[in-house]
Amino acid sequence: DTAVSQTPKYLVTQMGNDKSIKCEQNLGHDTMYWYKQDSKKFLKIMFSYNNKELIINETVPNRFSPKSPDKAHLNLHINSLELGDSAVYFCASSPGWGTAIMNTEAFFGQGTRLTVV
Amino acid sequence: KQEVTQIPAALSVPEGENLVLNCSFTDSAIYNLQWFRQDPGKGLTSLLLIQSSQREQTSGRLNASLDKSSGRSTLYIAASQPGDSATYLCAVSRASGGSYIPTFGRGTSLIVHP
Repeated sequence: DTAVSQTPKYLVTQMGNDKSIKCEQNLGHDTMYWYKQDSKKFLKIMFSYNNKELIINETVPNRFSPKSPDKAHLNLHINSLELGDSAVYFCASSPGWGTAIMNTEAFFGQGTRLTVV
Repeated sequence: KQEVTQIPAALSVPEGENLVLNCSFTDSAIYNLQWFRQDPGKGLTSLLLIQSSQREQTSGRLNASLDKSSGRSTLYIAASQPGDSATYLCAVSRASGGSYIPTFGRGTSLIVHP
């Protein structure tokens, strides 16, 4: 069973389109994240949600809107896609603060490679 | 703001060598430190997690140490194999709003040749 799964794995789309990436975790974690990995392979936090509430928004353009319908899902919707949005987007999850789980390990999905043409 | 630096950026070694990958961070108020492996075109695989109260963790040929006061961690790979070729990423987590937020270094790209 995949712990953190994201779909689609590949996404090719034209500039100006709106697209969504879905993420689900079956680990019972309270916290979920979205990271962007640029062409130089640097991973940068975009958003963090804890129990469906937004915790971190790292100066991401308003065109990016995360949605957490429940604790196990954190989807990423992107409006008016631009060439610079091309990257690999990773979803991740980890136990939250004060959890009874002693191991606070973060788990990552396999990534979604977004190409804007 | 936490900054994580990994040295060296790239490493190419013959099979069998023992390796040391370094990670340093500027803010010692971390909750944990995690080492990941990323293969080309793939996701991140967690290798080792060290809680801030711990000094080291071991898994097979891998050993990671943490010196929180000096802001350093080391990943030691014993008897390297071609299958170890990948990018190794260090991430330190801070506590924020009920979550732990991992901040990554830029990674060490490792090639182990036969």
